[in-house]
Amino acid sequence: AQSVTQLDSQVPVFEEAPVELRCNYSSSVSVYLFWYVQYPNQGLQLLLKYLSGSTLVKGINGFEAEFNKSQTSFHLRKPSVHISDTAEYFCAVSARIQGAQKLVFGQGTRLTINP
Amino acid sequence: DAGVTQSPTHLIKTRGQQVTLRCSPKSGHDTVSWYQQALGQGPQFIFQYYEEEERQRGNFPDRFSGHQFPNYSSELNVNALLLGDSALYLCASSFTAGTGFGEQYFGPGTRLTVT
Repeated sequence: AQSVTQLDSQVPVFEEAPVELRCNYSSSVSVYLFWYVQYPNQGLQLLLKYLSGSTLVKGINGFEAEFNKSQTSFHLRKPSVHISDTAEYFCAVSARIQGAQKLVFGQGTRLTINP
Repeated sequence: DAGVTQSPTHLIKTRGQQVTLRCSPKSGHDTVSWYQQALGQGPQFIFQYYEEEERQRGNFPDRFSGHQFPNYSSELNVNALLLGDSALYLCASSFTAGTGFGEQYFGPGTRLTVT
């Protein structure tokens, strides 16, 4: 079974400051890792994913994440945030087997950007 | 491409009633997964349908049931509604390829309120 822990429920930052949203996972099998963003009253949009290869993954809107197998972490970063990045961010994991597998989500981190 | 669509957008039901939510997958996708997202929580996996059969199921009671039609669209049925069933219900579609990874694309969700 897999589980995900997002270490911060809320992260307030000033506009143009850097941000890191932390995510740790546990699993008895190899996994795929994801970050999703949810804007108010909307569904989930995929920011980036780690399937294999380079441990540094670049996504949309200037976000990137680094897979650290030894620390079982997949932290999300952005060097300079904008007001439009205000949203809920979810880290998710799925088992590394072929086909479409269920996603296990963390509790979410609410990112608030202050001017 | 219309992406994943869900209907209705919002729904208000009374305790004890039954509800049906609908999902049309993204063009070319053959697998539909359903998730429940309670307020302030991450999405939780309910079940997944492929080839008109339930392939995986999360920790939800039998009051939650589903169906997939030959055109790959899907329904989620919830019987004997409880106040705790109030949530955003998300549908995700994907393609179960012979090899490789099937990325899930999410719809905008159906907001169910049980009074």
